[in-house]
Amino acid sequence: IAGITQAPTSQILAAGRRMTLRCTQDMRHNAMYWYRQDLGLGLRLIHYSNTAGTTGKGEVPDGYSVSRANTDDFPLTLASAVPSQTSVYFCASSAWPLRSSYNEQFFGPGTRLTVL
Amino acid sequence: QQQVKQSPQSLIVQKGGIPIINCAYENTAFDYFPWYQQFPGKGPALLIAIRPDVSEKKEGRFTISFNKSAKQFSLHIMDSQPGDSATYFCAASSGSARQLTFGSGTQLTVLP
Repeated sequence: IAGITQAPTSQILAAGRRMTLRCTQDMRHNAMYWYRQDLGLGLRLIHYSNTAGTTGKGEVPDGYSVSRANTDDFPLTLASAVPSQTSVYFCASSAWPLRSSYNEQFFGPGTRLTVL
Repeated sequence: QQQVKQSPQSLIVQKGGIPIINCAYENTAFDYFPWYQQFPGKGPALLIAIRPDVSEKKEGRFTISFNKSAKQFSLHIMDSQPGDSATYFCAASSGSARQLTFGSGTQLTVLP
């Protein structure tokens, strides 16, 4: 079934540890995104990539890094986790701009991360 | 700075009622306004979207009303059902990057 997979489903992490959240899509979408979802704040963009080999900063990029070595994978790394990074993280992808004039984004199931 | 303001934060209606969720924006460059639906434990999924050249769009029981002069848009759910209970997010995008800016979400509960 085509879509987006994220791993792990959930994780409890000690503060100061390094963590990589994985995201893979099989829709051959050009654009990919990482969001964090916090109650009352909605979805906030962390980083994005419009195409393989390029990345950009979103609204809340501090403490996070991404890479886009190929079309399918877009990992998110927390170099040294802090409790304020406790959140639910969603990866998304979009066919924009090559196959869509508007940015319909498809979301993965999310990773629930707790930093203690 | 929240560029898309969404209200209410939560909403409870009886089955068959018509919940209305409102969003307002400031950035006049926004030109695409989608609504996403999220069930517990799942990622958001596109529900319906509108462009500013029309004032209303219907898809099944879901309707977006758009008021360009007031910079507001709203989601109406006709004949709401318990299965519509979910969190709803409005969003907007503009510019060459086409990044989405999301509202803060509305948790809808439809009572049987």
